[in-house]
Amino acid sequence: RKEVEQDPGPFNVPEGATVAFNCTYSNSASQSFFWYRQDCRKEPKLLMSVYSSGNEDGRFTAQLNRASQYISLLIRDSKLSDSATYLCVVNDNYGQNFVFGPGTRLSVLP
Amino acid sequence: EPEVTQTPSHQVTQMGQEVILRCVPISNHLYFYWYRQILGQKVEFLVSFYNNEISEKSEIFDDQFSVERPDGSNFTLKIRSTKLEDSAMYFCASHNLDRGPTEAFFGQGTRLTVV
Repeated sequence: RKEVEQDPGPFNVPEGATVAFNCTYSNSASQSFFWYRQDCRKEPKLLMSVYSSGNEDGRFTAQLNRASQYISLLIRDSKLSDSATYLCVVNDNYGQNFVFGPGTRLSVLP
Repeated sequence: EPEVTQTPSHQVTQMGQEVILRCVPISNHLYFYWYRQILGQKVEFLVSFYNNEISEKSEIFDDQFSVERPDGSNFTLKIRSTKLEDSAMYFCASHNLDRGPTEAFFGQGTRLTVV
């Protein structure tokens, strides 16, 4: 069965903290990988794509380890506005289906 | 910036009634999807649609569900006889494989409440 698993959470961290989320996927044929962010009762929005070499976008760093089928997201200097659920998403079947992890909820506290 | 739009934003219906959820995907996208999210639970795949036919569907997408692209722009999800457990947020998404794998873009969702 194709599945995506994530840290169960929730994560409650103070402002300015660094927080890391982990994700594993079961389908070794998966083609592409993403982190989405979902605010309460809103649609998922792309945070960043995850590339094989790892990539960074400001305070956010994503890593991919294909051998271990593992994806991570690091958030540095967390802000109150980072509070949301972070969804690990894997694209199977050569781009035809997006499989969502259950999400990890982050609360950044003042 | 192009976006996926969904209507209505909220639909309340009586159990057993038919509902149609509407979506306008991004115009140059080729793949269309419906997902659902029951309150407090994960986003679940329902169906993907490409080249005017279903390319993949989940076990959730039973005979009560159908999808259609009646014209060049709309993509609809029909639930024939709604059940209480169909109450959820339904998200439409579209995706363009034209230049290799890219992200899916999601509409703002339709909240379906079955009473």
